[in-house]
Amino acid sequence: RKEVEQDPGPFNVPEGATVAFNCTYSNSASQSFFWYRQDCRKEPKLLMSVYSSGNEDGRFTAQLNRASQYISLLIRDSKLSDSATYLCVVNIPSSNTGKLIFGQGTTLQVKP
Amino acid sequence: DTGVSQDPRHKITKRGQNVTFRCDPISEHNRLYWYRQTLGQGPEFLTYFQNEAQLEKSRLLSDRFSAERPKGSFSTLEIQRTEQGDSAMYLCASSLGAVGDWGYEQYFGPGTRLTVT
Repeated sequence: RKEVEQDPGPFNVPEGATVAFNCTYSNSASQSFFWYRQDCRKEPKLLMSVYSSGNEDGRFTAQLNRASQYISLLIRDSKLSDSATYLCVVNIPSSNTGKLIFGQGTTLQVKP
Repeated sequence: DTGVSQDPRHKITKRGQNVTFRCDPISEHNRLYWYRQTLGQGPEFLTYFQNEAQLEKSRLLSDRFSAERPKGSFSTLEIQRTEQGDSAMYLCASSLGAVGDWGYEQYFGPGTRLTVT
C-alpha cells in the first residue's frame, strides 16, 4: 500500500462547481498534513495546512479524519484559475526529520 | 526575492557526465530538503539537512548522488555519471524546525529540470 494515495483524476468541472478531493495515508503516527497546489511545470506551493478540527480559507475547506486516516479538500465556486494539480502531503514522524510524503496528485480542470 | 532559489533552472547533459545543482533556501530557514519529481508523480524525498548536518538520505539516493550544505546556508546536489533515468525535476525546499520537530511548512524553489541524453 502506498504511504499516501490520491485519485489522480482528472476532475473536469464547470466554473462555479463544488469539487472534493480525497486522500488516504497509511502511517497512523503521522501528525502533520498539508495540501499543496502545483501548476504545470512549476514548483508545489502550499495551499493550506490541515488541522484536526478542520479549517477553511475562503473557498477552500480541509478536513482530517484520523480514525479513517483520511484527508479531504473541498473547493467551492470553482474558478478557471483553480485548474492545477492538488497534492496531498503527510509527514512521516521520526526522531530527526520532517520529511514529507507526497501523493501522486489529483488534477483539476475547471472549464468555462 | 526572499524565496527559495535554485540554479540552474534547466540542465541538459550527456549520459555519463557529472552535474551539480545549487539551492539557496529562505535565509532564516535551518532545514533544507531535496526532492525529485518525475512526470505524473508527486515529489519524492531524497535527503534532508538540519543546518549543515545531513540527517537522512532516501534509498533513492544511490552512491552516484551526493549532497552538501557546508555552512548551513546554500546546498549543492551532485549527480555523478548521469544516467537517462536521472532525468527529472530536482526540487529544493526549506523550512524552520529543530531536531525532532515536524509539521513546519516547507517552501519549494522553482526546481532544476535535468534532461540526460
